[in-house]
Amino acid sequence: QKEVEQNSGPLSVPEGAIASLNCTYSDRGSQSFFWYRQYSGKSPELIMSIYSNGDKEDGRFTAQLNKASQYVSLLIRDSQPSDSATYLCAVIPKFGNEKLTFGTGTRLTIIP
Amino acid sequence: DTGVSQNPRHKITKRGQNVTFRCDPISEHNRLYWYRQTLGQGPEFLTYFQNEAQLEKSRLLSDRFSAERPKGSFSTLEIQRTEQGDSAMYLCASSRQGAGSSPLHFGNGTRLTVT
Repeated sequence: QKEVEQNSGPLSVPEGAIASLNCTYSDRGSQSFFWYRQYSGKSPELIMSIYSNGDKEDGRFTAQLNKASQYVSLLIRDSQPSDSATYLCAVIPKFGNEKLTFGTGTRLTIIP
Repeated sequence: DTGVSQNPRHKITKRGQNVTFRCDPISEHNRLYWYRQTLGQGPEFLTYFQNEAQLEKSRLLSDRFSAERPKGSFSTLEIQRTEQGDSAMYLCASSRQGAGSSPLHFGNGTRLTVT
C-alpha cells in the first residue's frame, strides 16, 4: 500500500463549478497534511496546510481532514482556468517529521 | 526573498559520467531538502539537512548519490556513474523550520537526462 494515494485523473471541471480532490494516507499516526499545486513544467507550491480534523478555508480553497478515515480532501470553489494544474497531496508520517511524502498528484483541468 | 536557486536548469550526460547539481536555499532557511520527480509521479524524498548536518537519507539513495551542505548554506548533489534510470527532475527545497510546521519552498529544479 502506498503511503499517500491520489486518483491521478485527469479530472475535468467546468469553469465556476466546485473541484473536489481526494487523498488517502496509510500511516494512522500522521499529523501534518498539505496540498501543493504544480503547474506543468514548474515546481510545486504550497496552497494549504491542515493539522486537525475538520475544515480549513482560505479564499476559494477548503481543505478537509478526517483522521479516523485517513482521508484528506481539497475543494476549489468557483473554479477558474488558472486552477488547471496537478494537485499534490503531501503528508508528514508520524515517525518522520521532516520527510514530506507526496502522492502521485491529480491532474485538474478547468473547462472554460 | 530571492527564492531557491538551482543550477544548472538542464543537464544531459552520457551513462557512466558523474554529475553535480547545486542548490542555493533562501538565506534564512536552515532546512534544505532534495527530492526527485519523474514524469507523472509526485516528488520522492532523497535527503535533508538541518544546517550542515545531513539528518536523513532515503533508501532510494544508492551509494552513487552523495549530498553535502558545507557551512550550512548551499548544497550539492552528486551522482556518480550515472544510469539511464537516474533521468529525472531533481528538486531542492528549503524551509525556515521543520517540514511539519513551515512550508517548503521549491526551486525550479535541475532536469537530468542520461543518454
